[in-house]
Amino acid sequence: ETGVTQSPTHLIKTRGQQVTLRCSSQSGHNTVSWYQQALGQGPQFIFQYYREEENGRGNFPPRFSGLQFPNYSSELNVNALELDDSALYLCASSAGQGVYNSPLHFGNGTRLTVT
Amino acid sequence: AQKVTQAQTEISVVEKEDVTLDCVYETRDTTYYLFWYKQPPSGELVFLIRRNSFDEQNEISGRYSWNFQKSTSSFNFTITASQVVDSAVYFCALSHGANNAGNMLTFGGGTRLMVKP
Repeated sequence: ETGVTQSPTHLIKTRGQQVTLRCSSQSGHNTVSWYQQALGQGPQFIFQYYREEENGRGNFPPRFSGLQFPNYSSELNVNALELDDSALYLCASSAGQGVYNSPLHFGNGTRLTVT
Repeated sequence: AQKVTQAQTEISVVEKEDVTLDCVYETRDTTYYLFWYKQPPSGELVFLIRRNSFDEQNEISGRYSWNFQKSTSSFNFTITASQVVDSAVYFCALSHGANNAGNMLTFGGGTRLMVKP
């Protein structure tokens, strides 16, 4: 069973730039969620994708956007990067939209540094 | 609003000691799920347990046990006979209901556990 994989593992960008992070979901999982984890804090929910549509969003501005592809992989795009966007970005997959179906399985994350 | 509080930011114990990590939550939902995740230095969040709001039975899995008390809105996690490999940051999390956006979890701030040999 292949777990959740994320790429790249580390990334350094300059303020104002745009970034795309990628995630391959665990085999058999059709739902992908993205979380932002600032240093020393718990993860914060960004959004969730199910059947290629966003169906849940946390308190993040529109410059955070995403995509889900037919193979259930996903991208997180962040435009106009700000210094506060520096964080570990975690992707999680599950079999279904609700946590009653299956718990979230997380990848190792992408460490984004904005300078 | 949903909220999860882990009051212990850091705990240090010596190997073989028992340790309890506290978690207190707030929610207006009648149906919800509670979780514990472990985050080793590699960064990946490792799922430990899921508990729904209607099941208040305590659970034991090897050296791990969980105590869910709805009356006090607490979901505490105990590691018995701790080992160095238990060193990690542990997060308690709460789901926002069980339907469409049910994968939206609210996490606590985490407790860093250091187990010394």
